[in-house]
Amino acid sequence: DGGITQSPKYLFRKEGQNVTLSCEQNLNHDAMYWYRQDPGQGLRLIYYSQIVNDFQKGDIAEGYSVSREKKESFPLTVTSAQKNPTAFYLCASSISAGTGAGELFFGEGSRLTVL
Amino acid sequence: GENVEQHPSTLSVQEGDSAVIKCTYSDSASNYFPWYKQELGKRPQLIIDIRSNVGEKKDQRIAVTLNKTAKHFSLHITETQPEDSAVYFCAASKWNDKIIFGKGTRLHILP
Repeated sequence: DGGITQSPKYLFRKEGQNVTLSCEQNLNHDAMYWYRQDPGQGLRLIYYSQIVNDFQKGDIAEGYSVSREKKESFPLTVTSAQKNPTAFYLCASSISAGTGAGELFFGEGSRLTVL
Repeated sequence: GENVEQHPSTLSVQEGDSAVIKCTYSDSASNYFPWYKQELGKRPQLIIDIRSNVGEKKDQRIAVTLNKTAKHFSLHITETQPEDSAVYFCAASKWNDKIIFGKGTRLHILP
């Protein structure tokens, strides 16, 4: 069954701890993305990757880090430097980035709560 | 960089009436404009998209129009039904670049 899988679905962490959110896709897509969703703020781009071993910052990259060592995996680390990490995080993939991409396929999301 | 503004933030329409959501973009080089629907508790899903070489596209009850000169595009839903209740996001991108979303419109279909 093809798709994009995020884990964990819910995550609680203490302030000052780094956390890593997993995102895996078996769609053979080149491009992967991380968005943050807050009420009334829409979907804000954190990082995106168009190809293995390459990634670019989005609009709100501060306090986050990513890696793209494999085509199917794009984990997001929320570091202690992120001022307001409590949010809903969505991972997505597309055949390629930008206009050639067509549809973005989203995972079910990970809800991070920092206590 | 690209900035996408979306209005209104909330919209309530009577079942059977039409709904219109409007978006503007800032980068004249943008040439791809998708719309996503997110039902409560679910992931966003693409419902329709339009490219800059087309002025209008229709798929059953939904249609999107694009005015490149004015840099705005709109989503039209006709004969609204209860299952149309959701949050709708517009987005814009240019060739081989990131996709930027608007802040979303929460659509309520009233019985």
